Amino acid sequence: TQLLEQSPQFLSIQEGENLTVYCNSSSVFSSLQWYRQEPGEGPVLLVTVVTGGEVKKLKRLTFQFGDARKDSSLHITAAQPGDTGLYLCAGARRGDYKLSFGAGTTVTVRA
Amino acid sequence: GAVVSQHPSWVICKSGTSVKIECRSLDFQATTMFWYRQFPKQSLMLMATSNEGSKATYEQGVEKDKFLINHASLTLSTLTVTSAHPEDSSFYICSAGILYGTGGNEQYFGPGTRLTVT
Repeated sequence: TQLLEQSPQFLSIQEGENLTVYCNSSSVFSSLQWYRQEPGEGPVLLVTVVTGGEVKKLKRLTFQFGDARKDSSLHITAAQPGDTGLYLCAGARRGDYKLSFGAGTTVTVRA
Repeated sequence: GAVVSQHPSWVICKSGTSVKIECRSLDFQATTMFWYRQFPKQSLMLMATSNEGSKATYEQGVEKDKFLINHASLTLSTLTVTSAHPEDSSFYICSAGILYGTGGNEQYFGPGTRLTVT
């Protein structure tokens, strides 16, 4: 059983549509990161959230950390083919330097 | 900033030989580095935590004698796959952590190494 449950597992949408990826847990995290990975490459850090209720925006991407610091979401507005990739959430619990990863969401944006 | 390099990017070796993979943090010092393994279309699986100047901490089920980790400096960690077999073929990724005082951390990943054992 994974510490972080990520959903959906796969998402295929048309260019211009919006999408949301969810990351949920019963554990509290001191920090949570979102990464995007393309085939054959390492994950690239998109954002880190550390405060409950925090909302961060990165161009068309909006990240939210739940008030209780147990869940997070990634919302992409007007998706583009360049947004295609594997999105991973990862969290660190207080006092633990290891990251727990979600299973990942494969996003495909069709032109 | 926070660039991590990995070398080689891909390697093919014969069964029974050993392969060394290097992970370097280029613009920051990392007291802690992590080694992951990733199977196709799956998430990352943590293999071990590499601590500078001390022994690595391995995750349950990972053979420490097969996957040797050395973290000799604040910018370099190496993973050696000893007596490699075809089932060791995988994508190996390292990361270097920037640690927060609260225990959280950000990890920056290398580009990965594709190992194929024939």
